[in-house]
Amino acid sequence: GQQVMQIPQYQHVQEGEDFTTYCNSSTTLSNIQWYKQRPGGHPVFLIQLVKSGEVKKQKRLTFQFGEAKKNSSLHITATQTTDVGTYFCARSTNSGYALNFGKGTSLLVTP
Amino acid sequence: EAQVTQNPRYLITVTGKKLTVTCSQNMNHEYMSWYRQDPGLGLRQIYYSMNVEVTDKGDVPEGYKVSRKEKRNFPLILESPSPNQTSLYFCASSRTGMNTEAFFGQGTRLTVV
Repeated sequence: GQQVMQIPQYQHVQEGEDFTTYCNSSTTLSNIQWYKQRPGGHPVFLIQLVKSGEVKKQKRLTFQFGEAKKNSSLHITATQTTDVGTYFCARSTNSGYALNFGKGTSLLVTP
Repeated sequence: EAQVTQNPRYLITVTGKKLTVTCSQNMNHEYMSWYRQDPGLGLRQIYYSMNVEVTDKGDVPEGYKVSRKEKRNFPLILESPSPNQTSLYFCASSRTGMNTEAFFGQGTRLTVV
């Protein structure tokens, strides 16, 4: 299936610094979902973006969907140690019945 | 509590010995799927099911089988496991599969020696 590309693969920040991960597609996306996986845990749904240019916020997390619906970003303001984990974006396939995940961005936050 | 339950959580087996990983969800979801997670490769879909008796291949179906006889259960079968199937496996379910959030099980770490 068509994958979405995520960058960076890894990010190490000091607590309090900001963090951004990007998700890019060569084709137009019908939607984009974001998941978080804590170390040793399972992926947990964070949010879904559907509309062009959409911006959604969850406390310190800001999610954006590009105007062309080919890219998305997740920005964390003032990271905390609880933000540690791997963040995945996922796209629906053309049929809508499957999700293709990016390879994820692993975030490490040191106090 | 709404959940997706996988068993076993950990399994070490030998090459060629058939095994089944069970997955059950209590949310009456129509759509269920299996993923494997490998370092550097992210989550890759193995098989999915849109409803009872309806299954389809994902991106990496070779060496795996599935069945969906009941809505709540979606077992993953490895008829003849090989070392390259050593991985972390996740089962997931969602209400319809069409643009809805996926709920993941706790994962099954499989080692084939």
